[in-house]
Amino acid sequence: DQQVKQNSPSLSVQEGRISILNCDYTNSMFDYFLWYKKYPAEGPTFLISISSIKDKNEDGRFTVFLNKSAKHLSLHIVPSQPGDSAVYFCATSLIQGAQKLVFGQGTRLTINP
Amino acid sequence: EAGVTQSPTHLIKTRGQQATLRCSPISGHTSVYWYQQALGLGLQFLLWYDEGEERNRGNFPPRFSGRQFPNYSSELNVNALELEDSALYLCASRIYGTKQETQYFGPGTRLLVL
Repeated sequence: DQQVKQNSPSLSVQEGRISILNCDYTNSMFDYFLWYKKYPAEGPTFLISISSIKDKNEDGRFTVFLNKSAKHLSLHIVPSQPGDSAVYFCATSLIQGAQKLVFGQGTRLTINP
Repeated sequence: EAGVTQSPTHLIKTRGQQATLRCSPISGHTSVYWYQQALGLGLQFLLWYDEGEERNRGNFPPRFSGRQFPNYSSELNVNALELEDSALYLCASRIYGTKQETQYFGPGTRLLVL
C-alpha cells in the first residue's frame, strides 16, 4: 500500500529553467510534508517543508505547494542549477501519533547544461 | 553545529551473523529514527526511539532491534543476517515534543551481507 507516490521516476530539465517535482498522497490525516534531496550513498538532506495549514512555502529557489483537496504536493526549483541534479524524495508525517516519515519512491532530477 | 553521525560507513557481514550500527544525533535532539533503503526501493521506516524508549517500529521482523542510550545516541542491531538485509541504513534525529517536525539525516551505513 503506497501511501505516498512520486509517479515520475526521472525528470530532465535545462539549466536555468524551472523544475517541477510532484508527489501524491492518500491519507488525508497527514499534516506535515517535507522534501529531501539525496545524492548516492549519502543521507537525505532536508530542503523545505510545509504544514497542512498552509498552501505555499518558499525558501530561496525552492517553493513547495500543497493542494489538500487533491492530496498533491509539488516542489518548484527556479532557476535550476547543475548542482540540483540528485534524487528528490517527498515525505509526509503526522504531527501527532506515529511521528515516522513516510517517503515516496523518489524522482531523479537531471539538470542539463 | 555537528550533524547526525553514523558509524561505520560500510559494513560487510555474512549470512547468519549479527550487525551493529551506531548513530549520534544532533546535540539537543532527543528522538532518533532508523530507516532502511534497500537497492531500488524507497526509504522504509524501521524504528523510533525517544528518551531511551522504543516509541514505534515499522513492518520489520523482530531480528531488527535497537536501543537508545542516556546520551541519546542509538544502536541498531540486526541479528541472523539475511542477504536481503543488504541496504543503506539511515539514522535521523529531531527534537521531540515541539512543533519542529523536521528529521535530519546522517550519512548512513551501507551494510553488505554476503
